[in-house]
Amino acid sequence: AQTVTQSQPEMSVQEAETVTLSCTYDTSENNYYLFWYKQPPSRQMILVIRQEAYKQQNATENRFSVNFQKAAKSFSLKISDSQLGDTAMYFCAFMNRNNAGNMLTFGGGTRLMVKP
Amino acid sequence: GAGVSQSPSNKVTEKGKDVELRCDPISGHTALYWYRQSLGQGLEFLIYFQGNSAPDKSGLPSDRFSAERTGGSVSTLTIQRTQQEDSAVYLCASSKYRGTEAFFGQGTRLTVV
Repeated sequence: AQTVTQSQPEMSVQEAETVTLSCTYDTSENNYYLFWYKQPPSRQMILVIRQEAYKQQNATENRFSVNFQKAAKSFSLKISDSQLGDTAMYFCAFMNRNNAGNMLTFGGGTRLMVKP
Repeated sequence: GAGVSQSPSNKVTEKGKDVELRCDPISGHTALYWYRQSLGQGLEFLIYFQGNSAPDKSGLPSDRFSAERTGGSVSTLTIQRTQQEDSAVYLCASSKYRGTEAFFGQGTRLTVV
């Protein structure tokens, strides 16, 4: 079984600054994906960024980038030039590609507030 | 539709009553998942459907929970004899194939009083 841990229940950042959200996971698998999802007050989960475990290069999507440390089983999310619209819950998630269902295992979430 | 649609958006029910939650996935998506999000917590996997295969029910918390997917499209999650601990947001997601990006609906907030 996999576990995903987000050690920061809440964080805040000033608009235009950079913030890093932490995530660690535990697995014995080698073939997996890692994700960061954003959940605004509308409740809909929105995919922010995805990392394939076999790729050493860290994924980037515009202002969002990850620091994937496979040996340490760490997967942090960096948000640059924070915007008010980034205020949301952020969830780190793990997908075991060897599992028939490929369901997601989520961390407990980090509530991010971007302050003007 | 353009996205995953869930209904109702909110549901308040009395303890002991049965409820049905509906999920309409993106057209053509073969995989469908139900997750539960309790207050202030992450998402917990409940059940998974893939095409016409038997569903993976390994995440269902008790036999009061069941789900079906008719015609490989719309899914209904049924909770019988609801309890207060069933209060949560129930999220549905679909993906084109298993292992590809999952798209989520806006969830149903269930409150059992």
